[in-house]
Amino acid sequence: GAVVSQHPSWVICKSGTSVKIECRSLDFQATTMFWYRQFPKQSLMLMATSNEGSKATYEQGVEKDKFLINHASLTLSTLTVTSAHPEDSSFYICSVKGQREKLFFGSGTQLSVL
Amino acid sequence: TQLLEQSPQFLSIQEGENLTVYCNSSSVFSSLQWYRQEPGEGPVLLVTVVTGGEVKKLKRLTFQFGDARKDSSLHITAAQPGDTGLYLCAGVGANSKLTFGKGITLSVRP
Repeated sequence: GAVVSQHPSWVICKSGTSVKIECRSLDFQATTMFWYRQFPKQSLMLMATSNEGSKATYEQGVEKDKFLINHASLTLSTLTVTSAHPEDSSFYICSVKGQREKLFFGSGTQLSVL
Repeated sequence: TQLLEQSPQFLSIQEGENLTVYCNSSSVFSSLQWYRQEPGEGPVLLVTVVTGGEVKKLKRLTFQFGDARKDSSLHITAAQPGDTGLYLCAGVGANSKLTFGKGITLSVRP
């Protein structure tokens, strides 16, 4: 399988600042990673598909200028929440597409915007 | 839009009881997965079912995929407090994109 490390586990920031979340595939070279958002007591909603060396593919309704995704290497994808606002507070989770199309999830990042 | 409905939304039972929960889809997926998620953690894959009518067992957990590949059930025998968590089903679509249901919050009281 793939071991996925997500950092930070939680972050508190002021409204208007930007926050970067990292997703690392520790033992597998991942050409594709996914970013999800999960509100309390809700399911995971796919935000975007991160493709190594090319632009991310965003789901309908997700602002690409607000949620910047960079997948510059086969082991690292980053999600930057720009000009964060309280409504962006959520649990963000990444997943890595590993061998045989299996998905492995990071432990998530709890973002709280004050 | 493909939707996955999970039921019941919440379930609180006593240790030792059996339970069955459901995942119903409005359309057919190539396969369906069940995950368990604990608070503050990412979901962990329990099983993938692919073939209509398929039954898979994971210790005390039994997963079944409907013949039409649009619904699935999870049966837990003799539930234990360690089974407490959020159970998510997810339909696997093109390019491994997952569509998740809203989940079932299970609480097993000791």
